[in-house]
Amino acid sequence: GDSVTQMEGPVTLSEEAFLTINCTYTATGYPSLFWYVQYPGEGLQLLLKATKADDKGSNKGFEATYRKETTSFHLEKGSVQVSDSAVYFCALSDRTGNQFYFGTGTSLTVIP
Amino acid sequence: NAGVTQTPKFRVLKTGQSMTLLCAQDMNHEYMYWYRQDPGMGLRLIHYSVGEGTTAKGEVPDGYNVSRLKKQNFLLGLESAAPSQTSVYFCASSHPGALPQPQHFGDGTRLSIL
Repeated sequence: GDSVTQMEGPVTLSEEAFLTINCTYTATGYPSLFWYVQYPGEGLQLLLKATKADDKGSNKGFEATYRKETTSFHLEKGSVQVSDSAVYFCALSDRTGNQFYFGTGTSLTVIP
Repeated sequence: NAGVTQTPKFRVLKTGQSMTLLCAQDMNHEYMYWYRQDPGMGLRLIHYSVGEGTTAKGEVPDGYNVSRLKKQNFLLGLESAAPSQTSVYFCASSHPGALPQPQHFGDGTRLSIL
């Protein structure tokens, strides 16, 4: 079945460091891919998405490119801030949009 | 601008008790979902609904029931709570579309079963 595997955490970075959180997926057909962010005590919020191969999703300085050849959707940010501290989830949805599959989440802490 | 609202936010139950979690959305979304979030396991889909009066099982449906009598509400029931159901429960909603649309999440219900 469809699934998402993402990098184990926790990740601790200094402010202004480069961030990469790896995400790979297994799916039949052509899924849509998403990154969500969860701040403490809150629900998940959409960070970015990509719906077809080679699409790049971007938001708030974060980017991820849909790589069909490597079945990956790695999240990157060039310079992290303390306010980026959160848990990040990679997710996919099949074409029906009925079901989403989430990774286990990667906790990021950015220290000043 | 409420979005997705879950009630209650916290609850402690004893084993064998029953309760219902309520999810309400004001975005006129067709699709609604219930997930549970456990440490190291991410989010797992319990049940979902693609429209009023319809429900379907997700990945981990056992021990839960749901109802979607009104489009804006999606109820999750635990008939006989067990300690294994201690978790944080999230409701989400989305629109159908030509391509999958992002889900909008509530802030969660933290449930402890003693």
